[in-house]
Amino acid sequence: AQKITQTQPGMFVQEKEAVTLDCTYDTSDQSYGLFWYKQPSSGEMIFLIYQGSYDEQNATEGRYSLNFQKARKSANLVISASQLGDSAMYFCAMREGLYSSASKIIFGSGTRLSIRP
Amino acid sequence: ETGVTQSPTHLIKTRGQQVTLRCSSQSGHNTVSWYQQALGQGPQFIFQYYREEENGRGNFPPRFSGLQFPNYSSELNVNALELDDSALYLCASSLSQREWDTGELFFGEGSRLTVL
Repeated sequence: AQKITQTQPGMFVQEKEAVTLDCTYDTSDQSYGLFWYKQPSSGEMIFLIYQGSYDEQNATEGRYSLNFQKARKSANLVISASQLGDSAMYFCAMREGLYSSASKIIFGSGTRLSIRP
Repeated sequence: ETGVTQSPTHLIKTRGQQVTLRCSSQSGHNTVSWYQQALGQGPQFIFQYYREEENGRGNFPPRFSGLQFPNYSSELNVNALELDDSALYLCASSLSQREWDTGELFFGEGSRLTVL
């Protein structure tokens, strides 16, 4: 069964520093995708970055990069040069069976990131 | 391109009542998923509809039911409300079944349900 684990309930980081949010996953499928979403206090879920299981290079989107280590089943999010607006909950998520209409996305328990000025 | 919209944004019900939450999917999306997010936790998958049929369900009892309409809008119905049903209910739409689609979820802002 698919499972996402985020072991850091909360993190504090100084503004402008880089931060790594951990995510490990479990799946028996060869074809899957990994996502990171940001949820500010207002509640909306904001898509940040995506990594496919067959992608050979780590995904990057602006200040966000995904450190994908397939053998270790980890997909850590790296935020460079953190900003006050990065304070939010961050969720790692996975979709198994990428090309099936029945595949679903499941989420981890999240990490609350707080940026200190 | 319109985004995902949900209604109502907030509502209060009492135990035993029934509630219907509504969602309008992003234009062109054929799949809608519903999630329950309790305070301080990650979203829990309730079910998913693809072309008006349920094609995936999480660990939720049958009193949680849904519909998807031909225009891909959707409803989540919860019967016999319990206190533990108090949560943020998130609707998300996506486009499935094309090789280049990641199946990324596009979320609405949620409906916050309080059960007293």
